[in-house]
Amino acid sequence: DAGITQSPRHKVTETGTPVTLRCHQTENHRYMYWYRQDPGHGLRLIHYSYGVKDTDKGEVSDGYSVSRSKTEDFLLTLESATSSQTSVYFCAIGTGAPPLHFGNGTRLTVT
Amino acid sequence: DQQVKQNSPSLSVQEGRISILNCDYTNSMFDYFLWYKKYPAEGPTFLISISSIKDKNEDGRFTVFLNKSAKHLSLHIVPSQPGDSAVYFCAASGSGTYKYIFGTGTRLKVLA
Repeated sequence: DAGITQSPRHKVTETGTPVTLRCHQTENHRYMYWYRQDPGHGLRLIHYSYGVKDTDKGEVSDGYSVSRSKTEDFLLTLESATSSQTSVYFCAIGTGAPPLHFGNGTRLTVT
Repeated sequence: DQQVKQNSPSLSVQEGRISILNCDYTNSMFDYFLWYKKYPAEGPTFLISISSIKDKNEDGRFTVFLNKSAKHLSLHIVPSQPGDSAVYFCAASGSGTYKYIFGTGTRLKVLA
């Protein structure tokens, strides 16, 4: 797992509630990413970080925010969860040179 | 707009035969391509990659071919084994960017 821990692994929440997913790495990699996986859409990039406090948007960033206050932690926040955000969320890390390494995912259900 | 496309959602192959998974891309700025394998309830794992300066890269049973003029790459698995049954994603990255764009995936089933 290249030293990547995602928490929680599973979460069920209600529409309109805030949710924060955490990605923790022990590899000291500069780059961290959040993807979501949905049937028919594959893996889509939500946000990524290229250093502490440095983040940028991906393909599907609307409704999501991120923060990276330490090299090892990258947080993904859904300010007000919607049913369309029901998905499996993957964190990935990288050095800047390929490849990326992925965590085992967080399954989020918004009811 | 899907920049990386895998047009075959699924593929079934007999054990011992060749599996060919295809991927097309639209962005000519992509210069590095990767293949990942994903089992259920696990994260994607890196399989093999190729730089745009090459047209072929081989690693054991896995070979990736790149046709830049056609903006097409393929992954060949020979011989296919039941343990290869998984979802395969291709991904692309552009020089000077650190974004990796993934395709929609192809589910490979290798029949014993």
